[in-house]
Amino acid sequence: NAGVTQTPKFQVLKTGQSMTLQCAQDMNHEYMSWYRQDPGMGLRLIHYSVGAGITDQGEVPNGYNVSRSTTEDFPLRLLSAAPSQTSVYFCASSTSGNSYEQYFGPGTRLTVT
Amino acid sequence: DQQVKQNSPSLSVQEGRISILNCDYTNSMFDYFLWYKKYPAEGPTFLISISSIKDKNEDGRFTVFLNKSAKHLSLHIVPSQPGDSAVYFCAAMGDYKLSFGAGTTVTVRA
Repeated sequence: NAGVTQTPKFQVLKTGQSMTLQCAQDMNHEYMSWYRQDPGMGLRLIHYSVGAGITDQGEVPNGYNVSRSTTEDFPLRLLSAAPSQTSVYFCASSTSGNSYEQYFGPGTRLTVT
Repeated sequence: DQQVKQNSPSLSVQEGRISILNCDYTNSMFDYFLWYKKYPAEGPTFLISISSIKDKNEDGRFTVFLNKSAKHLSLHIVPSQPGDSAVYFCAAMGDYKLSFGAGTTVTVRA
């Protein structure tokens, strides 16, 4: 049981490039979410999904796109990278939206130059 | 505007003593509160939680207290151990969304 996995661990992008951060879980969790962590800001919710085919915006959704075609996968797409998107990104999952214990992946450190 | 605030960025405590971490929130609709612990280069891990209908929850060395009228919660770690050195995040759940505080870095001195 691998839990929540994220790839890549590190990524450097140039301004304007696009990329997809991958997230997968093998716990059959319905609820998945993406956060970004910035110094002094804690973790902020970008997008979340309560099940396959259903996604919704969190606190800071601009510049990011998500889709949920399967229960296991929840990729995060950066459409046109900007330096303000330099951050550490965490994916998390839980059994349901009302399950308060979320399991986090190890994170992806993204730098946009 | 942050709805969950941890006003102490850092805390240093001697091994064996009590660590007290504080957290304030502004949204009265939050119905569940959690503490997460994070080591460098790892994702946060769940530590302890409390429902809004309770005022205390205990799990081994960790106790969380909730004061709803003051919109304040605290985490007590007794006794503090070197392995407790980490960043601690307070979080609150409402409407399927978790809101996090900025974190408190705890350093346990030998």
